[in-house]
Amino acid sequence: KQEVTQIPAALSVPEGENLVLNCSFTDSAIYNLQWFRQDPGKGLTSLLLIQSSQREQTSGRLNASLDKSSGRSTLYIAASQPGDSATYLCAVRVKAAGNKLTFGGGTRVLVKP
Amino acid sequence: NAGVTQTPKFQVLKTGQSMTLQCAQDMNHEYMSWYRQDPGMGLRLIHYSVGAGITDQGEVPNGYNVSRSTTEDFPLRLLSAAPSQTSVYFCASSYSASEGAGEKLFFGSGTQLSVL
Repeated sequence: KQEVTQIPAALSVPEGENLVLNCSFTDSAIYNLQWFRQDPGKGLTSLLLIQSSQREQTSGRLNASLDKSSGRSTLYIAASQPGDSATYLCAVRVKAAGNKLTFGGGTRVLVKP
Repeated sequence: NAGVTQTPKFQVLKTGQSMTLQCAQDMNHEYMSWYRQDPGMGLRLIHYSVGAGITDQGEVPNGYNVSRSTTEDFPLRLLSAAPSQTSVYFCASSYSASEGAGEKLFFGSGTQLSVL
């Protein structure tokens, strides 16, 4: 059974510092990995999607890398801003489970002005 | 552009009552799904659908029914509510249902359900 872990559960950084968020998964047979952002009381917003054949994806200040062999993905957020404060979740779509996504528990980020 | 619309936003039920959570998307997405989010448990898949007339169970389907009579709508029915079903429920959709298609998942804003 695929398990997805995000450590740390919470992170606090001063504004301007780069954020590094980690995601690990136990089964490397994945189709893709997505990073989501969730604001309090809101739904999830997809930030980046990395296909299993890709090593990384970039969107603005966001960069996500994928290392399938080691079962790891990292989300980098450059020059953090208070508006980046949110919970970030990763999820993997597994080959053995159809279209099901397995989510990590998330990392709650606070960017202090 | 409405995206994925869920109603209601909040609901309080008594044990044993039934209700339907509504989900509609206007993006012509093939794939629709229901998740529940609980503290310490993360997001768990309840049911999903890969197209009109086709549904399948997810990780935690017991106590819930779904149907998909149209591409746009995917309601979630609680047959006899239990306190263990207190949770935040999210509907999500993506363009393609094909394995490996790798489409981004779009979420609704959620329904907070309390069962007393």
